[in-house]
Amino acid sequence: AAGVIQSPRHLIKEKRETATLKCYPIPRHDTVYWYQQGPGQDPQFLISFYEKMQSDKGSIPDRFSAQQFSDYHSELNMSSLELGDSALYFCASSLITGQETQYFGPGTRLLVL
Amino acid sequence: AQKVTQAQTEISVVEKEDVTLDCVYETRDTTYYLFWYKQPPSGELVFLIRRNSFDEQNEISGRYSWNFQKSTSSFNFTITASQVVDSAVYFCALSEGGKLIFGQGTELSVKP
Repeated sequence: AAGVIQSPRHLIKEKRETATLKCYPIPRHDTVYWYQQGPGQDPQFLISFYEKMQSDKGSIPDRFSAQQFSDYHSELNMSSLELGDSALYFCASSLITGQETQYFGPGTRLLVL
Repeated sequence: AQKVTQAQTEISVVEKEDVTLDCVYETRDTTYYLFWYKQPPSGELVFLIRRNSFDEQNEISGRYSWNFQKSTSSFNFTITASQVVDSAVYFCALSEGGKLIFGQGTELSVKP
């Protein structure tokens, strides 16, 4: 069965640079979620989209933005990167926000130097 | 506010032992969903089970079983006859309007 695809899998950036993470949900899933997992931490919700509209927002810094496109893929844009942004970024997708299981992608490991 | 607590930070067992991972949650919602995810050393988050608040029936899947008790707000996970491949961090999570609220995770180490 098709899974959630994330790219890139690994990313190294310098402070103050920008990064774009991409997520391709499971086919026919209409909801995408982004989570950030710091070292030794549990995943923290950043933002979600349902049918290309932002549906919920968590502890996402103002330096970050995200959107969901017409083909349902989503991109997380991160600007003015800080050392503390180094983390594992997960995308998850589900059918019908709030009711169905979220399936996670393999994650993008971001390292900010 | 919604909250998930996994009091066991680390558990170490020897292969073939049974082990139970505890999860306690707090919510004011009458309808909610609980989940368990496994995060092996490779890093991905693997879905294990989803349970809604109206279904208190315990579930068994192979060596895995889950005990949901609404009266004590607990959703515990038991692995029977543990194997080295079960070594991972296990997260319990609660769905709040769609987004997942995770517990701190329990790192399970199964030694041969």
